[in-house]
Amino acid sequence: GQNIDQPTEMTATEGAIVQINCTYQTSGFNGLFWYQQHAGEAPTFLSYNVLDGLEEKGRFSSFLSRSKGYSYLLLKELQMKDSASYLCAAMDSNYQLIWGAGTKLIIKP
Amino acid sequence: GAVVSQHPSWVICKSGTSVKIECRSLDFQATTMFWYRQFPKQSLMLMATSNEGSKATYEQGVEKDKFLINHASLTLSTLTVTSAHPEDSSFYICSARNPKREFEQYFGPGTRLTVT
Repeated sequence: GQNIDQPTEMTATEGAIVQINCTYQTSGFNGLFWYQQHAGEAPTFLSYNVLDGLEEKGRFSSFLSRSKGYSYLLLKELQMKDSASYLCAAMDSNYQLIWGAGTKLIIKP
Repeated sequence: GAVVSQHPSWVICKSGTSVKIECRSLDFQATTMFWYRQFPKQSLMLMATSNEGSKATYEQGVEKDKFLINHASLTLSTLTVTSAHPEDSSFYICSARNPKREFEQYFGPGTRLTVT
């Protein structure tokens, strides 16, 4: 079957660094997405990885290991506005997104 | 950048009535659109895949006669919740796939449906 696993909730301190892990199993693979979703809002795109390695985009970076079925989202210099849910999604061979349950990130001052 | 709009952004209706939600892709022609539902503190649940000019493909457990999807044009898909019940109250989100780049999927802002 197809499955995405990510932690339910994480807590971090303002200004610190946090890494949100995601493991996936899909029928075929066309890339790994990370989305940010604030409460009551639709998800917004953060990153897309299809090749192994680290993609850096400002304070956010995303890593992928296809052989391990593993990805992480790294958030640096955390700000209070980063408090949100972070959704991991893998795209299968039919270009369908398989969604994780999301990780609620709580930032404390 | 690409934009997907949804209308209405929120709606309150009485039990037994029907509600139509529109999803429009503004910057590109979307041959495929997706409808999701999200209950509080839960992840997105794909309800159906809407393909322009053909019948929608519903996910297991989603009643096609209750959630009517029409994708009559390349920029518009509609979801009609028929005979709504309080348990249908949820956040409904559509997304549109860019046909020129299969990997890009843009989300609408969502529609909050409350059935009283």
